[in-house]
Amino acid sequence: NAGVMQNPRHLVRRRGQEARLRCSPMKGHSHVYWYRQLPEEGLKFMVYLQKENIIDESGMPKERFSAEFPKEGPSILRIQQVVRGDSAAYFCASSPWTSGGAYEQYFGPGTRLTVT
Amino acid sequence: DAKTTQPPSMDCAEGRAANLPCNHSTISGNEYVYWYRQIHSQGPQYIIHGLKNNETNEMASLIITEDRKSSTLILPHATLRDTAVYYCIVRVDTSGSRLTFGEGTQLTVNP
Repeated sequence: NAGVMQNPRHLVRRRGQEARLRCSPMKGHSHVYWYRQLPEEGLKFMVYLQKENIIDESGMPKERFSAEFPKEGPSILRIQQVVRGDSAAYFCASSPWTSGGAYEQYFGPGTRLTVT
Repeated sequence: DAKTTQPPSMDCAEGRAANLPCNHSTISGNEYVYWYRQIHSQGPQYIIHGLKNNETNEMASLIITEDRKSSTLILPHATLRDTAVYYCIVRVDTSGSRLTFGEGTQLTVNP
Protein backbone atom coordinates (compact mmCIF):
# COMPACT_ATOMS: atom_id res chain seq x y z
CA ASN A 1 0.00 0.00 0.00
CA ALA A 2 1.78 3.09 -1.23
CA GLY A 3 2.01 6.01 1.14
CA VAL A 4 1.25 9.64 0.46
CA MET A 5 3.11 10.77 -2.64
CA GLN A 6 4.27 14.29 -3.36
CA ASN A 7 5.93 15.67 -6.41
CA PRO A 8 8.16 17.23 -7.24
CA ARG A 9 10.38 16.61 -4.23
CA HIS A 10 12.41 19.72 -5.00
CA LEU A 11 11.23 22.74 -6.95
CA VAL A 12 13.18 25.85 -7.83
CA ARG A 13 11.35 28.92 -9.06
CA ARG A 14 12.39 32.48 -9.81
CA ARG A 15 10.55 35.31 -8.15
CA GLY A 16 7.28 36.00 -9.94
CA GLN A 17 6.85 32.50 -11.36
CA GLU A 18 4.15 30.03 -10.40
CA ALA A 19 4.71 26.91 -8.30
CA ARG A 20 2.46 23.85 -8.47
CA LEU A 21 2.82 21.19 -5.83
CA ARG A 22 1.06 17.85 -6.18
CA CYS A 23 -0.14 15.40 -3.59
CA SER A 24 -1.60 11.94 -4.13
CA PRO A 25 -3.21 10.66 -0.92
CA MET A 26 -3.02 7.10 0.31
CA LYS A 27 -5.42 4.71 -1.37
CA GLY A 28 -8.84 4.98 0.15
CA HIS A 29 -8.15 8.35 1.81
CA SER A 30 -10.52 11.14 0.92
CA HIS A 31 -9.17 13.89 3.19
CA VAL A 32 -6.09 15.93 2.31
CA TYR A 33 -4.24 18.51 4.40
CA TRP A 34 -1.42 20.85 3.47
CA TYR A 35 1.16 22.10 5.96
CA ARG A 36 4.10 24.45 5.52
CA GLN A 37 7.40 24.43 7.37
CA LEU A 38 9.45 27.57 6.98
CA PRO A 39 13.21 27.28 7.57
CA GLU A 40 13.97 26.75 11.27
CA GLU A 41 10.28 26.96 12.14
CA GLY A 42 7.53 24.53 13.04
CA LEU A 43 4.87 22.98 10.88
CA LYS A 44 1.85 25.17 10.24
CA PHE A 45 -1.52 24.06 8.94
CA MET A 46 -2.59 25.65 5.68
CA VAL A 47 -5.70 24.00 4.26
CA TYR A 48 -7.95 20.97 4.54
CA LEU A 49 -9.78 19.55 1.53
CA GLN A 50 -12.10 16.73 0.67
CA LYS A 51 -12.85 15.70 -2.90
CA GLU A 52 -13.97 18.82 -4.81
CA ASN A 53 -14.41 20.83 -1.59
CA ILE A 54 -12.29 23.14 0.50
CA ILE A 55 -13.33 22.55 4.08
CA ASP A 56 -10.93 24.74 6.06
CA GLU A 57 -8.53 27.23 4.51
CA SER A 58 -7.98 29.33 7.60
CA GLY A 59 -4.21 28.78 7.46
CA MET A 60 -3.76 29.85 3.86
CA PRO A 61 -2.21 33.22 3.07
CA LYS A 62 -4.91 35.50 1.72
CA GLU A 63 -3.24 36.16 -1.61
CA ARG A 64 -1.41 34.12 -4.24
CA PHE A 65 -2.11 30.72 -2.62
CA SER A 66 -4.84 28.33 -3.70
CA ALA A 67 -5.57 24.63 -3.33
CA GLU A 68 -7.81 22.10 -4.99
CA PHE A 69 -8.62 18.41 -4.75
CA PRO A 70 -10.50 17.44 -7.91
CA LYS A 71 -12.73 14.42 -8.30
CA GLU A 72 -9.99 12.75 -10.31
CA GLY A 73 -6.29 13.25 -9.81
CA PRO A 74 -4.05 14.62 -7.11
CA SER A 75 -4.51 17.57 -4.84
CA ILE A 76 -2.72 20.69 -6.07
CA LEU A 77 -1.29 23.53 -4.01
CA ARG A 78 -0.69 26.49 -6.27
CA ILE A 79 1.42 29.51 -5.43
CA GLN A 80 1.27 32.38 -7.90
CA GLN A 81 3.98 35.03 -8.27
CA VAL A 82 6.28 33.38 -5.77
CA VAL A 83 8.47 35.48 -3.49
CA ARG A 84 11.57 34.49 -1.52
CA GLY A 85 9.50 34.18 1.65
CA ASP A 86 7.61 31.28 0.08
CA SER A 87 10.75 29.14 0.25
CA ALA A 88 9.82 26.31 2.57
CA ALA A 89 8.99 22.64 2.82
CA TYR A 90 5.37 21.90 1.96
CA PHE A 91 3.92 18.71 3.37
CA CYS A 92 0.74 16.98 2.40
CA ALA A 93 -1.09 14.57 4.67
CA SER A 94 -4.10 12.35 4.12
CA SER A 95 -6.57 10.57 6.33
CA PRO A 96 -9.47 8.22 5.72
CA TRP A 97 -13.11 8.98 6.23
CA THR A 98 -14.89 6.89 8.81
CA SER A 99 -18.11 7.41 10.65
CA GLY A 100 -16.38 7.60 14.00
CA GLY A 101 -13.08 7.12 15.75
CA ALA A 102 -9.68 8.67 15.49
CA TYR A 103 -8.29 10.21 12.34
CA GLU A 104 -4.56 9.91 12.21
CA GLN A 105 -2.94 11.78 9.37
CA TYR A 106 -0.23 10.24 7.24
CA PHE A 107 2.33 12.57 5.74
CA GLY A 108 4.16 12.59 2.46
CA PRO A 109 7.89 13.30 2.06
CA GLY A 110 7.30 16.95 1.26
CA THR A 111 8.18 19.33 -1.55
CA ARG A 112 11.04 21.69 -0.90
CA LEU A 113 10.42 24.95 -2.71
CA THR A 114 13.30 27.32 -3.27
CA VAL A 115 12.62 30.75 -4.71
CA THR A 116 15.62 32.47 -6.22
CA ASP B 1 -7.16 22.52 20.80
CA ALA B 2 -5.45 22.28 24.18
CA LYS B 3 -1.93 23.63 24.53
CA THR B 4 0.87 21.18 25.25
CA THR B 5 4.21 21.65 26.98
CA GLN B 6 7.25 19.53 26.20
CA PRO B 7 10.92 19.81 27.18
CA PRO B 8 12.91 21.26 24.27
CA SER B 9 15.50 18.50 24.25
CA MET B 10 16.38 15.14 25.75
CA ASP B 11 19.20 12.62 25.43
CA CYS B 12 19.01 8.87 25.63
CA ALA B 13 21.54 6.08 25.37
CA GLU B 14 21.11 3.59 22.58
CA GLY B 15 19.27 0.49 23.74
CA ARG B 16 17.72 2.20 26.73
CA ALA B 17 14.12 3.31 27.08
CA ALA B 18 13.33 6.88 26.06
CA ASN B 19 10.56 8.48 28.10
CA LEU B 20 9.22 11.70 26.60
CA PRO B 21 6.85 13.72 28.80
CA CYS B 22 4.05 16.02 27.74
CA ASN B 23 1.82 18.28 29.83
CA HIS B 24 -1.67 19.10 28.61
CA SER B 25 -3.39 20.39 31.73
CA THR B 26 -6.26 22.08 29.84
CA ILE B 27 -7.25 19.02 27.84
CA SER B 28 -10.98 18.56 27.29
CA GLY B 29 -12.91 15.34 27.62
CA ASN B 30 -13.25 14.85 23.87
CA GLU B 31 -9.62 15.55 23.00
CA TYR B 32 -7.16 12.84 22.11
CA VAL B 33 -3.41 12.83 22.68
CA TYR B 34 -1.41 12.20 19.51
CA TRP B 35 2.31 11.74 19.06
CA TYR B 36 4.19 12.36 15.84
CA ARG B 37 7.88 12.61 15.09
CA GLN B 38 9.91 14.28 12.38
CA ILE B 39 13.25 12.83 11.46
CA HIS B 40 15.58 15.43 9.98
CA SER B 41 13.16 17.37 7.75
CA GLN B 42 11.33 14.29 6.52
CA GLY B 43 7.54 14.23 6.60
CA PRO B 44 6.12 13.83 10.11
CA GLN B 45 5.46 10.25 11.09
CA TYR B 46 2.44 9.16 13.12
CA ILE B 47 3.44 7.18 16.21
CA ILE B 48 0.48 6.58 18.47
CA HIS B 49 -2.60 8.18 19.98
CA GLY B 50 -4.94 7.65 22.91
CA LEU B 51 -7.89 9.06 24.80
CA LYS B 52 -7.56 7.89 28.39
CA ASN B 53 -6.32 4.31 28.38
CA ASN B 54 -2.69 3.39 27.94
CA GLU B 55 -1.88 2.33 24.41
CA THR B 56 0.87 0.24 22.85
CA ASN B 57 1.83 -0.53 19.29
CA GLU B 58 4.90 -1.79 17.48
CA MET B 59 6.61 1.59 17.76
CA ALA B 60 5.88 2.84 21.24
CA SER B 61 3.72 2.95 24.34
CA LEU B 62 1.60 5.85 25.48
CA ILE B 63 0.90 6.32 29.18
CA ILE B 64 -1.83 8.85 30.04
CA THR B 65 -2.33 9.87 33.67
CA GLU B 66 -5.69 9.23 35.24
CA ASP B 67 -6.58 12.95 35.28
CA ARG B 68 -5.40 13.17 31.62
CA LYS B 69 -3.37 16.27 32.33
CA SER B 70 -0.12 14.68 31.20
CA SER B 71 1.23 11.77 29.22
CA THR B 72 4.49 9.98 28.46
CA LEU B 73 5.63 8.45 25.21
CA ILE B 74 7.90 5.49 25.75
CA LEU B 75 10.28 4.12 23.14
CA PRO B 76 11.28 0.86 24.85
CA HIS B 77 14.66 0.30 23.17
CA ALA B 78 15.83 3.48 21.52
CA THR B 79 18.06 3.25 18.45
CA LEU B 80 20.08 5.90 16.63
CA ARG B 81 17.30 6.05 14.03
CA ASP B 82 14.91 7.29 16.71
CA THR B 83 16.77 10.61 16.85
CA ALA B 84 14.07 13.09 15.84
CA VAL B 85 11.80 15.88 17.01
CA TYR B 86 8.81 14.41 18.85
CA TYR B 87 5.54 16.28 18.90
CA CYS B 88 2.76 15.81 21.42
CA ILE B 89 -0.53 17.11 20.00
CA VAL B 90 -3.94 17.31 21.59
CA ARG B 91 -6.88 17.55 19.24
CA VAL B 92 -10.56 16.97 19.01
CA ASP B 93 -11.19 13.70 17.30
CA THR B 94 -13.28 14.80 14.37
CA SER B 95 -12.81 14.46 10.69
CA GLY B 96 -10.86 17.37 9.36
CA SER B 97 -9.34 18.35 12.65
CA ARG B 98 -6.02 19.98 11.92
CA LEU B 99 -2.81 19.09 13.70
CA THR B 100 -1.31 22.00 15.63
CA PHE B 101 2.41 21.40 16.00
CA GLY B 102 4.28 23.03 18.86
CA GLU B 103 8.03 23.14 19.37
CA GLY B 104 8.33 19.46 20.23
CA THR B 105 11.19 17.66 21.96
CA GLN B 106 14.45 17.05 20.14
CA LEU B 107 15.41 13.53 21.19
CA THR B 108 19.01 12.59 20.56
CA VAL B 109 19.93 8.94 20.93
CA ASN B 110 23.63 8.53 21.64
CA PRO B 111 25.73 5.45 20.87
